[in-house]
Amino acid sequence: QVQLVQSGAEVKKPGSSVKVSCKSSEGSFRNYAISWVRQAPGQGLEWMGGIIPVFGTSNYAQKFQGRVTITADESTSTAYMELNRLTSEDTAFYYCATVTILTGRFSWGQGTLVTVSS
Amino acid sequence: DIQMTQSPSTLSASVGDRVTITCRASQTISDWLAWYQQKPGKAPQLLIYRASTLESGVPSRFSGSGSGTEFTLTISSLQPDDFASYYCQQYKSSSYTFGQGTKLEIK
Repeated sequence: QVQLVQSGAEVKKPGSSVKVSCKSSEGSFRNYAISWVRQAPGQGLEWMGGIIPVFGTSNYAQKFQGRVTITADESTSTAYMELNRLTSEDTAFYYCATVTILTGRFSWGQGTLVTVSS
Repeated sequence: DIQMTQSPSTLSASVGDRVTITCRASQTISDWLAWYQQKPGKAPQLLIYRASTLESGVPSRFSGSGSGTEFTLTISSLQPDDFASYYCQQYKSSSYTFGQGTKLEIK
């Protein structure tokens, strides 16, 4: 079972950017699609976007288009989510999740709290 | 994008009750559906994937069914640890959308 370990909590100023990492215990992302999900305080889960490293393709929820970039580094088995032009409404927990392409089974990271405050 | 409509948004029940949560997809998703349980301050925990496959370690009182556009999560006999929030997620399309969530409360 793949384990995903995310980077630590961040505090950012409005207008800045944040980059969250997600390291897989597996040696490769070859068999996985990777998603990023966020959850604002007291709210539900919101899919932000994803990447399928073996195809080199990424796609994003319309809400985040132009503001989020999701990448994956096969050499370190680490995925990244960068969110730009932060506002207070981006204060949330950010989660990475992988889904095994063959089985359709998900694994999740522990979450990273991003706080945007002046 | 595929929209997921989950109901009810809140459910009050007692220990021992049988409860059902429903998710409806705006278009067919075959069986590409997952169910999660989430407790406050914790990451979502996978319960069911591919609509009906029970995740390893999840109690057998949880079950999932459905295909196409209609899906259900059933808890056969509620236990105190089951009072939490539940979400469905489709992953048929390239955008993996979630239902709005169901908060399961103690009656």
